[in-house]
Amino acid sequence: AQSVSQHNHHVILSEAASLELGCNYSYGGTVNLFWYVQYPGQHLQLLLKYFSGDPLVKGIKGFEAEFIKSKFSFNLRKPSVQWSDTAEYFCAVNGPDSWGKLQFGAGTQVVVTP
Amino acid sequence: DAGVIQSPRHEVTEMGQEVTLRCKPISGHNSLFWYRQTMMRGLELLIYFNNNVPIDDSGMPEDRFSAKMPNASFSTLKIQPSEPRDSAVYFCASSFLSTGTGEKLFFGSGTQLSVL
Repeated sequence: AQSVSQHNHHVILSEAASLELGCNYSYGGTVNLFWYVQYPGQHLQLLLKYFSGDPLVKGIKGFEAEFIKSKFSFNLRKPSVQWSDTAEYFCAVNGPDSWGKLQFGAGTQVVVTP
Repeated sequence: DAGVIQSPRHEVTEMGQEVTLRCKPISGHNSLFWYRQTMMRGLELLIYFNNNVPIDDSGMPEDRFSAKMPNASFSTLKIQPSEPRDSAVYFCASSFLSTGTGEKLFFGSGTQLSVL
C-alpha cells in the first residue's frame, strides 16, 4: 500500500530563514506528487505538483520542490520565508489510474516568527 | 466560480444523533472526494465519486457512515448514529478527471464536527 511520510510535525523558524520540509513516499510505480498548504482557518490549496518532466518543480509563493526518484522523496523548499507562510503543509501522492485518490502525509505545522 | 461549498461550517451535536454534511462541488467537475482530518490520523480519504458513482469507499470507517451523490452538483455524508470519536474536520473536494491520472483537487472550507 502506498504511504507518505513527512519528517517533521512542527517547524518554527524566523522570517527570512530558509525552509525545507521532507517528504518520502512508498509506492511501487509511477507517482504523481503534490504539496498542499492549509493557512489558518482556510481550506487546503495546491502549492505545486509533479507529474513528469523536470524534477525541480516551482510553485506559487516562491515554493519549489525536487523529486528525487532514487530516494522516493519530494522535499519542499523556500529560500526565505515570510510570516505569512505560517501554515500546515501536506505532501500527497497518487499513482496513475488512481482517479485523483490522494494519499496525504500527516502534515507539518510551520510557524514563522517575525 | 464560488469554489467547493460545504455546509454547515460548524456542527455540534450529541452522541447518538444523526449528522448530515453537505457539499456542492465546482460546476463541471466530475469527481468528488470526502476527506476527514484529525490530529491523530491526519487527512484520510473516506470515499470518492466519479460521475456521481462511488468508486472507492474503503476509507469509510464503519457502517454508521454513508455518502450519496444524487446528482453532479450535490453530495452528502451522513453519520448515524454519531459518536464522540467522529469529531473531526470533514473536507469535501472536487476535480475534473479526464484520465486516471491524478489531478488538482479543489477543497471546500470544511465542516468542523464536534460530537459531545
